Amino acid sequence: NAGVMQNPRHLVRRRGQEARLRCSPMKGHSHVYWYRQLPEEGLKFMVYLQKENIIDESGMPKERFSAEFPKEGPSILRIQQVVRGDSAAYFCASSPFRQANTGELFFGEGSRLTVL
Amino acid sequence: SQQGEEDPQALSIQEGENATMNCSYKTSINNLQWYRQNSGRGLVHLILIRSNEREKHSGRLRVTLDTSKKSSSLLITASRAADTASYFCATDDLTGANNLFFGTGTRLTVIP
Repeated sequence: NAGVMQNPRHLVRRRGQEARLRCSPMKGHSHVYWYRQLPEEGLKFMVYLQKENIIDESGMPKERFSAEFPKEGPSILRIQQVVRGDSAAYFCASSPFRQANTGELFFGEGSRLTVL
Repeated sequence: SQQGEEDPQALSIQEGENATMNCSYKTSINNLQWYRQNSGRGLVHLILIRSNEREKHSGRLRVTLDTSKKSSSLLITASRAADTASYFCATDDLTGANNLFFGTGTRLTVIP
């Protein structure tokens, strides 16, 4: 059973470009979470999605950031007009149930975005 | 903010010694978890302790939870070089928030 798959693992963008990060949850998991980690810091929650629905986007900046989890295909975190401050590692996690009910999250290896 | 704080920020020990890391948090919780992160990799779940539990063991790991002090500790016994990693505590909160709140981590280095 493959784990949470994220791609690309590394992404370099120039200021003003768009970044698209993809996440395929573990088989059988319908709950997806995106977190951001700045260097030497812990993870900060961004958004929680179920298939075709954004459940909680309270941690996601209101501008330039969007997320989706379509009926078919991976979840996508999209950052438009990237700025240097967007440079970070973005982690996707999945679970079979809502995290608040079960606890453990299964993380991908992360996508490391560098904005030049 | 519910975000936890780990202590110490960094810890360096010799192989075979025990490593103890502490975590403090701010609001009441349902459970507390510890995760491990190797450099440049994703997080791996280690252990979950519920608010009505005081101590839990898993292999060489021992976790304690003191809800009156809003603190937890992670003990790794007989450490190995392969234990070198960052360790994070993570909590939920009683509002039923959809996410985990992570601490800033303890960077553990085990010297062979």
